[in-house]
Amino acid sequence: GESVGLHLPTLSVQEGDNSIINCAYSNSASDYFIWYKQESGKGPQFIIDIRSNMDKRQGQRVTVLLNKTVKHLSLQIAATQPGDSAVYFCAENRYSGGGADGLTFGKGTHLIIQP
Amino acid sequence: KAGVTQTPRYLIKTRGQQVTLSCSPISGHRSVSWYQQTPGQGLQFLFEYFSETQRNKGNFPGRFSGRQFSNSRSEMNVSTLELGDSALYLCASSLAGTDEKLFFGSGTQLSVL
Repeated sequence: GESVGLHLPTLSVQEGDNSIINCAYSNSASDYFIWYKQESGKGPQFIIDIRSNMDKRQGQRVTVLLNKTVKHLSLQIAATQPGDSAVYFCAENRYSGGGADGLTFGKGTHLIIQP
Repeated sequence: KAGVTQTPRYLIKTRGQQVTLSCSPISGHRSVSWYQQTPGQGLQFLFEYFSETQRNKGNFPGRFSGRQFSNSRSEMNVSTLELGDSALYLCASSLAGTDEKLFFGSGTQLSVL
């Protein structure tokens, strides 16, 4: 079935380096995309979102890029810090006949920060 | 502003029992949605409520149900529990729907023995 996927289950980066987490989606009808961060024992925490009429959106130390041609989403984290260690999920919101469905989440990438 | 509150935090039940989980959304948020998180299937959408009405439903059996009260608080119920229902159940709230930023609670960890 259609789903939002991530390329890597684990990503290890050096503290201070930039991190790039990738995500592929399959439904071209999706028009809202969002990144969440989940730390152990906690619920997902919003990082940044983007709508399909945009290619790029920046937040504090984070940038989301959307490439609709190849259905690819990425999250860039600048100057990665130990507190960035978590599992990162991409999610899409797709529309069916009745309106917006719930978010469809990818499997997640565990970001590990090396000192 | 208080975040999304879910109770209880942990729950242990046996097969065949039923369970009710509670969620209090952020003040002013009218949309409440529920997700199931398991290591194997990841995060899966259960249903969404808005103004006391179920607006969307995911692909789960009828044993999973929910409701929303006039103050936007929501409950979900799972009847005739199965071992596979063991999961983290997450509630999320937003102002008006699932096509905008969702704020998640910490979840209820349900273990079915």
